Amino acid sequence: GQNIDQPTEMTATEGAIVQINCTYQTSGFNGLFWYQQHAGEAPTFLSYNVLDGLEEKGRFSSFLSRSKGYSYLLLKELQMKDSASYLCAVMDSNYQLIWGAGTKLIIKP
Amino acid sequence: GAVVSQHPSRVICKSGTSVKIECRSLDFQATTMFWYRQFPKQSLMLMATSNEGSKATYEQGVEKDKFLINHASLTLSTLTVTSAHPEDSSFYICSARSGRERDEQYFGPGTRLTVT
Repeated sequence: GQNIDQPTEMTATEGAIVQINCTYQTSGFNGLFWYQQHAGEAPTFLSYNVLDGLEEKGRFSSFLSRSKGYSYLLLKELQMKDSASYLCAVMDSNYQLIWGAGTKLIIKP
Repeated sequence: GAVVSQHPSRVICKSGTSVKIECRSLDFQATTMFWYRQFPKQSLMLMATSNEGSKATYEQGVEKDKFLINHASLTLSTLTVTSAHPEDSSFYICSARSGRERDEQYFGPGTRLTVT
């Protein structure tokens, strides 16, 4: 079956760095997405990876290894507003999105 | 965990016809459902938010008369693309929120619409 795994919850300190991992097993691969979702709001797009390597966007970076079925989202210089859920999603060979359950990130001062 | 289904998963229709997409929460009651569309390699775009028993709230730029949303019950919402055109070809995703304490939102697998 198809599966996306990511930790349920993580805690980090303001100003620090946190890495949220995502492992996947899907029938085919057409890209991996990371989304941020604040409580009660719609998710917002963070990144898209389809080739191996690191994509950097300001304080956020996303890494992909297709051979390992692995991705991570790296958040630097954490701010209180980064407290949110982070969703990993993979588009399979049928262009269906397989969603992870999300990682709730708690930032402490 | 909570499961949201969408039907159909893939549909091809001719220009000018209408297509209905169903979104169902299978094991929970969804007080709110969201409809998104996503073009290839682009971000998810929220189209509208629907609450059971009331009219949907559409995002700016989304035509209400073209994308009809009906949240008929606590487990079913439908999106009808009326008089579809090739530019409506996209990936449509719904999500459902249970309204419970954690306010989690669960996503459906998406529906790929191709208008020829």
